[in-house]
Amino acid sequence: SQKIEQNSEALNIQEGKTATLTCNYTNYSPAYLQWYRQDPGRGPVFLLLIRENEKEKRKERLKVTFDTTLKQSLFHITASQPADSATYLCALGDYKLSFGAGTTVTVRA
Amino acid sequence: GAVVSQHPSRVICKSGTSVKIECRSLDFQATTMFWYRQFPKQSLMLMATSNEGSKATYEQGVEKDKFLINHASLTLSTLTVTSAHPEDSSFYICSASGQGAFEGTEAFFGQGTRLTVV
Repeated sequence: SQKIEQNSEALNIQEGKTATLTCNYTNYSPAYLQWYRQDPGRGPVFLLLIRENEKEKRKERLKVTFDTTLKQSLFHITASQPADSATYLCALGDYKLSFGAGTTVTVRA
Repeated sequence: GAVVSQHPSRVICKSGTSVKIECRSLDFQATTMFWYRQFPKQSLMLMATSNEGSKATYEQGVEKDKFLINHASLTLSTLTVTSAHPEDSSFYICSASGQGAFEGTEAFFGQGTRLTVV
């Protein structure tokens, strides 16, 4: 069966450091992989989409890599700030999205 | 980015009553809307997919007679939880995707509706 695993439920990090989140998947061959941010009691917000033929994508302080051989994506938040504290979800699917359980990031000032 | 508005944000209803949740795409035409449910500390679980003008497609295990979905226009989809019971209490979220100016299949989500059935 298809599975999406985000390797840690929670990540605590000091302000200014880089947070690295992992998303592994099995039994998928996605054309896209996406990352979303979700704040408590809110719907997810789209952050980045990376295609299967792209190795890396950046948006401001965010960087995503996509390794279709390893079936893994890494999501980096550089120069992290307390405002980056949230749950980050990876999602796969060409039409209907399936989501990982998320990693909750807490950035300490 | 595209804006999706979901209403209400919170609702408390009595067991046995029905609740309607609206999802609107404000600045784009949503050819497809999705409804999810999320329990605390769990991921989003897709309930159903609706395309404008056609019947919704429900995921396995989701009762279509209990969760009625209507997608009457390219900007509005509604989810009605019929004969609600306490176990239906959850966070319901809609998302919309459209054609045109988007990169791929990214989804734009509403704010979510916290349903509490008492």
